[in-house]
Amino acid sequence: EPEVTQTPSHQVTQMGQEVILRCVPISNHLYFYWYRQILGQKVEFLVSFYNNEISEKSEIFDDQFSVERPDGSNFTLKIRSTKLEDSAMYFCASSEGVGYTLRNTQYFGPGTRLTVL
Amino acid sequence: GNSVTQMEGPVTLSEEAFLTINCTYTATGYPSLFWYVQYPGEGLQLLLKATKADDKGSNKGFEATYRKETTSFHLEKGSVQVSDSAVYFCALRPSGGGADGLTFGKGTHLIIQP
Repeated sequence: EPEVTQTPSHQVTQMGQEVILRCVPISNHLYFYWYRQILGQKVEFLVSFYNNEISEKSEIFDDQFSVERPDGSNFTLKIRSTKLEDSAMYFCASSEGVGYTLRNTQYFGPGTRLTVL
Repeated sequence: GNSVTQMEGPVTLSEEAFLTINCTYTATGYPSLFWYVQYPGEGLQLLLKATKADDKGSNKGFEATYRKETTSFHLEKGSVQVSDSAVYFCALRPSGGGADGLTFGKGTHLIIQP
């Protein structure tokens, strides 16, 4: 069964460094998403991406974040200058189709645990 | 804004017990409602969903009914197994074509003892 994959599974970085989290969505899917979960807190929506542009973003997704689909298979989240509070589990997801119903099922990857020291 | 409230965990049950995990939501209109499950070391998997009032989602023996009048989507299973031990997340997606992001509850850790 097709699945969303994410690399690395765990990333440790120093405060102020740039990190790139990578995701390979399911191959025929058109919508891509990033979520994060700070330890002990809710899973929070960051951004959705369609047709090479941001479709929707939350208040959390400020100028230090960016997303990109650099080729036909990868979807990345970049954090330009990491802060301690960026430590969290980051989940990538994808969904097929364009209409509301087809976007309803989001398939999640296993997550990347980011630790900022 | 939109929000989802789940019962706090952990919830510990014996095998074959009846399970209920409460979920209530706040949203305008008619959001779509979801239950996701996360097994240790894995990502979030969609367990079931309902897209309109009085719809019942079901999968793997789990059920949840979309109750507009009580703004609830409680998860139930008649007889749980050890393999059901996981974290369960209730979530909503706002109605309206432009809304993409899911709003999640905090998750309920379910522990089933043999």
